[in-house]
Amino acid sequence: QKEVEQNSGPLSVPEGAIASLNCTYSDRVSQSFFWYRQYSGKSPELIMSIYSNGDKEDGRFTAQLNKASQYVSLLIRDSQPSDSATYLCAVSNNFNKFYFGSGTKLNVKP
Amino acid sequence: EAEVAQSPRYKITEKSQAVAFWCDPISGHATLYWYRQILGQGPELLVQFQDESVVDDSQLPKDRFSAERLKGVDSTLKIQPAELGDSAMYLCASSEDRSDTQYFGPGTRLTVL
Repeated sequence: QKEVEQNSGPLSVPEGAIASLNCTYSDRVSQSFFWYRQYSGKSPELIMSIYSNGDKEDGRFTAQLNKASQYVSLLIRDSQPSDSATYLCAVSNNFNKFYFGSGTKLNVKP
Repeated sequence: EAEVAQSPRYKITEKSQAVAFWCDPISGHATLYWYRQILGQGPELLVQFQDESVVDDSQLPKDRFSAERLKGVDSTLKIQPAELGDSAMYLCASSEDRSDTQYFGPGTRLTVL
C-alpha cells in the first residue's frame, strides 16, 4: 500500500466549474498536508498547506482535511484553463518524512 | 522572492559516464532534499539533509549515487556511472526546518543515452 494515493485522472472539467481533487494517506499519525501544482516539464509549486481538520480557503482554492477518514481534498472554484496541470498531494508524518502521491492530472476545457 | 537554484537545467549524457547536479537552497533553510521524479510519477525522496548531516538516505542507490552538503548550504548530487534508468527530473527542495513547507527549485532534466 502506498503512503499517499491519488487518482491519476485525467479529471476533465469545463471552464468555470468546480474541480475536486482527492487524496488518501495511510499513516494515521501524519501531521502536515500539502497540495502542489506541477505544470508539464516544470517543478512543483506550493498551492496550500493544511494542518488541522476542516477547511482552509485561499482565493479560489479550498483544502479540506479529515484525519479520521485519512482524507484530504482540494477544491478549485471557477476553474480556468490555466489551472490545467498535475496536482500533487504530499503528507508529512511525525518523523518529518514527506511522501508524495503520484498526482492527478486536471484538464480544464475552455 | 528567494528561490532554490539548480544547475544545470538540462543534462544529456551517455551511460557509464559521471554526472553531477548542484543545488543552492533558499538562504537560511536548514533542510535540503533531493528528489527524483520519473515521468508520470510523484517525486521520490533520494536524500534529506539537516544542515550538513544526512538524516534520510534510505532510498538513495548508494552503489552509484552520492550526495554532500559540506558547509550546510549548497549541495551536490552525483551519479557514477549513469544508467539508462536514471533518466528523470532531479528536483532539489528546501525548507526552514524538517517539518516545514518545501520549496522546489526548477529541476534538472537528465537524459541518459
